[in-house]
Amino acid sequence: DQQVKQNSPSLSVQEGRISILNCDYTNSMFDYFLWYKKYPAEGPTFLISISSIKDKNEDGRFTVFLNKSAKHLSLHIVPSQPGDSAVYFCAAWDNSGGSNYKLTFGKGTLLTVNP
Amino acid sequence: GAGVSQSPSNKVTEKGKDVELRCDPISGHTALYWYRQSLGQGLEFLIYFQGNSAPDKSGLPSDRFSAERTGGSVSTLTIQRTQQEDSAVYLCASSLGAGANNSPLHFGNGTRLTVT
Repeated sequence: DQQVKQNSPSLSVQEGRISILNCDYTNSMFDYFLWYKKYPAEGPTFLISISSIKDKNEDGRFTVFLNKSAKHLSLHIVPSQPGDSAVYFCAAWDNSGGSNYKLTFGKGTLLTVNP
Repeated sequence: GAGVSQSPSNKVTEKGKDVELRCDPISGHTALYWYRQSLGQGLEFLIYFQGNSAPDKSGLPSDRFSAERTGGSVSTLTIQRTQQEDSAVYLCASSLGAGANNSPLHFGNGTRLTVT
C-alpha cells in the first residue's frame, strides 16, 4: 500500500529547460510535504517543503506546487543545471496523529540534466 | 558543522552472520530515525527514537532486527542472522523533534549492506 507515489522512475531534460517532477499521494491526512535530493553514495538532503495550507512555495530555482483536491504535488526546477542530476524523493507527513514523526517517502525519480 | 555520521559506509557479510550499524546524530537533535532503501524502492521506515521515550519499533521487518540509542545520542542497529533480503542501504537521520513543527530530517550517507 504505497501512500506516496512517484510514477516516473526517470526524467531527462536539457540544461536550461524546466524539470517537472510529479508526486501523488493517497492519504488525505498528509498535511506537510517535502522534497529530498539524493546523489549516489550520499544520504538524501532536504530541498524544499510545503504546508497543506499553501499551494505554492518557491526557493530560488525550485518551486513546489500543491493541489490538495487532486492529492498531487510537483517540483519545478528552472532553469535546470547538470548539477541537478540526482534522485528526487517526495515525502509526506501526517501531523494529526500520534505518529507524526513518520515521514512517508515515494520511490524516487532519477533526473538527468543533459549539458 | 558536523552532520549525521554513519559507520561503516559499506559492509559485506555472509548469510547468517550478525552485523552492527552505527549512527552518530547531529548534536542537539533529540529525534533519531533509521530507514532502509532496498534496490528500486523508496525509503522504508524502520525505527524512531525521541528523547527518553519508548522507541517506535513498528517498522522493523522481523525480530532479527533491533536498535538501541545510548545516552540519547549514538544509535546502533543490529541485524542478527543476516539474510540476503537484508541487503540494502541503511540510512540514519536525526531532527530537532518530531513532525513538521520541527526541522526536516537530516540524513547520513548510509551503510550499504551486502549479504552474500
